[in-house]
Amino acid sequence: DQQVKQNSPSLSVQEGRISILNCDYTNSMFDYFLWYKKYPAEGPTFLISISSIKDKNEDGRFTVFLNKSAKHLSLHIVPSQPGDSAVYFCAARAISSGSARQLTFGSGTQLTVLP
Amino acid sequence: DAGVIQSPRHEVTEMGQEVTLRCKPISGHNSLFWYRQTMMRGLELLIYFNNNVPIDDSGMPEDRFSAKMPNASFSTLKIQPSEPRDSAVYFCASSDRLSSYNSPLHFGNGTRLTVT
Repeated sequence: DQQVKQNSPSLSVQEGRISILNCDYTNSMFDYFLWYKKYPAEGPTFLISISSIKDKNEDGRFTVFLNKSAKHLSLHIVPSQPGDSAVYFCAARAISSGSARQLTFGSGTQLTVLP
Repeated sequence: DAGVIQSPRHEVTEMGQEVTLRCKPISGHNSLFWYRQTMMRGLELLIYFNNNVPIDDSGMPEDRFSAKMPNASFSTLKIQPSEPRDSAVYFCASSDRLSSYNSPLHFGNGTRLTVT
């Protein structure tokens, strides 16, 4: 039973265009969401996050949008660069889980930015 | 600044053998997590520790898996006996519980385990 779902295993985008990565969740107790980026042979690294009290958080080329009613979040990268090619994981945390540090991850989306 | 250090980077073993994966968290971090990444299930939490104490091991797949954290700077994940379906990348991560609740996890580079 996946509580965090990334339904697109892969995405290809042309350099300079916008990349949009999507994530859906089922647990209404999730109150904090994060995106991690992973290069081959490395561990995931934190990219950007958003609290459930907000609907948008922006950091440079990266913006995360949260739609709580739809239980959906998305990561926008604009403009996309070849160095953005990586696997992107969506993750969520429920403060009421009793284990405040637990993250539930999606299965990841491989983004390829074509030069 | 040293990050989370995992060893070995790669492990190839035969079915039935014991495998031990090692992790050194970031100094000062007092929460440590073991995750497993597979194609089918993505990143799954296996177990996590706060102040060296196991808090939640509900993700440990079966009794063949065990994890210890004898001190704040070292943890092991052991599989005995190993099976081919254990083949995956195992990640260790740490975080600083004393800082914001929402502080992100810092991951090591993982151990790629292949059981033949």
